[in-house]
Amino acid sequence: ILNVEQSPQSLHVQEGDSTNFTCSFPSSNFYALHWYRWETAKSPEALFVMTLNGDEKKKGRISATLNTKEGYSYLYIKGSQPEDSATYLCASYNTDKLIFGTGTRLQVFP
Amino acid sequence: GAGVSQSPSNKVTEKGKDVELRCDPISGHTALYWYRQSLGQGLEFLIYFQGNSAPDKSGLPSDRFSAERTGGSVSTLTIQRTQQEDSAVYLCASSFQGASYNEQFFGPGTRLTVL
Repeated sequence: ILNVEQSPQSLHVQEGDSTNFTCSFPSSNFYALHWYRWETAKSPEALFVMTLNGDEKKKGRISATLNTKEGYSYLYIKGSQPEDSATYLCASYNTDKLIFGTGTRLQVFP
Repeated sequence: GAGVSQSPSNKVTEKGKDVELRCDPISGHTALYWYRQSLGQGLEFLIYFQGNSAPDKSGLPSDRFSAERTGGSVSTLTIQRTQQEDSAVYLCASSFQGASYNEQFFGPGTRLTVL
């Protein structure tokens, strides 16, 4: 059974705080790790797609790292803003399909 | 350019009725996916179409669920004899060629409520 786990399930931070969350995934038959941001009342949008061990990607204040040997990825948000409030989904592509985790729900208070 | 569109955006139906959900993928995307998110759950894979290949139906929860993709473009997800546990947001996504490194583009979803 393929399991993609995310932690924490939810997170409340103050504006300006930096934060990070974790995605763990099976390392066997691994091809790619995706991060998506899902804002309320909108569609999930891709943040990053990473494939190589040691990959590190950055988009503005958000960055992600990938460890394919041990099967985990971290997503970092530097200086959180209220507009960062969303559910962050990771998904692992193993064998032949993308399997999503249950997400980390982030709320940033002004 | 136009993104993935889905219709209807909301559907309320009575238990036992059939429903059809529609997805228009991004033009040129050969891969199309259906997911659903039930209350408090993550995104659950349902079915995957890639070009002219036979679809991967491994995520369909029961034989009441079926999907087709006509002409390699529009897809419909049909749920027969709906049950209350079918209530969920049904999301469609498409990607270019469906490779592992291709990001998926999601539609706005259809919220299905079965009374």
